Amino acid sequence: DSGVTQTPKHLITATGQRVTLRCSPRSGDLSVYWYQQSLDQGLQFLIQYYNGEERAKGNILERFSAQQFPDLHSELNLSSLELGDSALYFCASSARGGTGTYNEQFFGPGTRLTVL
Amino acid sequence: QKEVEQDPGPLSVPEGAIVSLNCTYSNSAFQYFMWYRQYSRKGPELLMYTYSSGNKEDGRFTAQVDKSSKYISLFIRDSQPSDSATYLCALRGNYGGATNKLIFGTGTLLAVQP
Repeated sequence: DSGVTQTPKHLITATGQRVTLRCSPRSGDLSVYWYQQSLDQGLQFLIQYYNGEERAKGNILERFSAQQFPDLHSELNLSSLELGDSALYFCASSARGGTGTYNEQFFGPGTRLTVL
Repeated sequence: QKEVEQDPGPLSVPEGAIVSLNCTYSNSAFQYFMWYRQYSRKGPELLMYTYSSGNKEDGRFTAQVDKSSKYISLFIRDSQPSDSATYLCALRGNYGGATNKLIFGTGTLLAVQP
């Protein structure tokens, strides 16, 4: 158990809908990362938050948005869902967010999203 | 061209075999090199990380980085059925001190047969 929790575990929805995925980082970790894992693209970095502020963006679609709240939990919002958005969505956390020294990212168990 | 290339496998070996897993990358700015293991329907977990070139050993696992060739390897000695999983290489660069984001390979599916 990494200490990172994600809810829900599974989500089935229809095209055009909007969903929210939730992540609670390990106790004391300030940085949260979101990744998408699909069969054809592998594990892709979406976005990073550090202590409530956006730190970096990856290949995140405009239909997707995220935020990190004062209690450090994070939510990933996916809207106007398409079939191709079906994937595993992972949240990871680390103590810090920069590149000064190595700090490990701990991954949650993921949310499996199925868009029908 | 992808930043990181990894053979997806699957790779099937008998128990006790030595396993070699590899990734190549294109961006010389990468400085940290990691191997994650992911069991089916689970999140990735860190196996090993290496800073810059060289070797690092941890029990049955050895990670090698050759920055001149942009090539990283993970060796598993005396492989066990419990090693059956997907192995992902991950790289981290220096993005001006701003971010710790990781770039992942697509993963290699390993099956160790008893």
